[in-house]
Amino acid sequence: DGGITQSPKYLFRKEGQNVTLSCEQNLNHDAMYWYRQDPGQGLRLIYYSQIVNDFQKGDIAEGYSVSREKKESFPLTVTSAQKNPTAFYLCASLNRGLWTFGSGTRLTVV
Amino acid sequence: GQSLEQPSEVTAVEGAIVQINCTYQTSGFYGLSWYQQHDGGAPTFLSYNALDGLEETGRFSSFLSRSDSYGYLLLQELQMKDSASYFCALNSGGYQKVTFGIGTKLQVIP
Repeated sequence: DGGITQSPKYLFRKEGQNVTLSCEQNLNHDAMYWYRQDPGQGLRLIYYSQIVNDFQKGDIAEGYSVSREKKESFPLTVTSAQKNPTAFYLCASLNRGLWTFGSGTRLTVV
Repeated sequence: GQSLEQPSEVTAVEGAIVQINCTYQTSGFYGLSWYQQHDGGAPTFLSYNALDGLEETGRFSSFLSRSDSYGYLLLQELQMKDSASYFCALNSGGYQKVTFGIGTKLQVIP
């Protein structure tokens, strides 16, 4: 079945460390996105990519970085510069106006 | 810019009907979609409206009035498994012009 796979499901990070969240899709979708979800807030856009080797900052890109070397993969790195990284991170693709989401990664800073 | 408003919580009885409203403000409109998200899970697509009127998909229906900048999701014959968060998403044009509501937490009680 086609879909988006995010890993790991749970991730713990020490303060000052960088961590990378994986997002892989086999839907052959061009557009991929990273969102952050916090309680009481809507999904907030971190980065998005419309094609390979191209990506754009979203509303809350500070402290994050991405790459898009392959169509299938869109990893997100949470750097030590992100001041409040504890959140639920969702990767998604957009095709013909409709979203497909991964199952999410819950990142906790300890 | 774009903004969405939806109630934060709704409680309904098993077997009943519940309506979750979504009002929006936008300078451009392509469509309004609805997603269901269980705790810790991936949002899944429910329904989409690009034109005024009612879209029906089984127990779920969605309505749109572009003149009123208003839509709603209607859930019929509620089941306990329908307890989840439901959020609307506004597509106001382009890859980056998607805004998500904060989500409405639906609790179905016996």
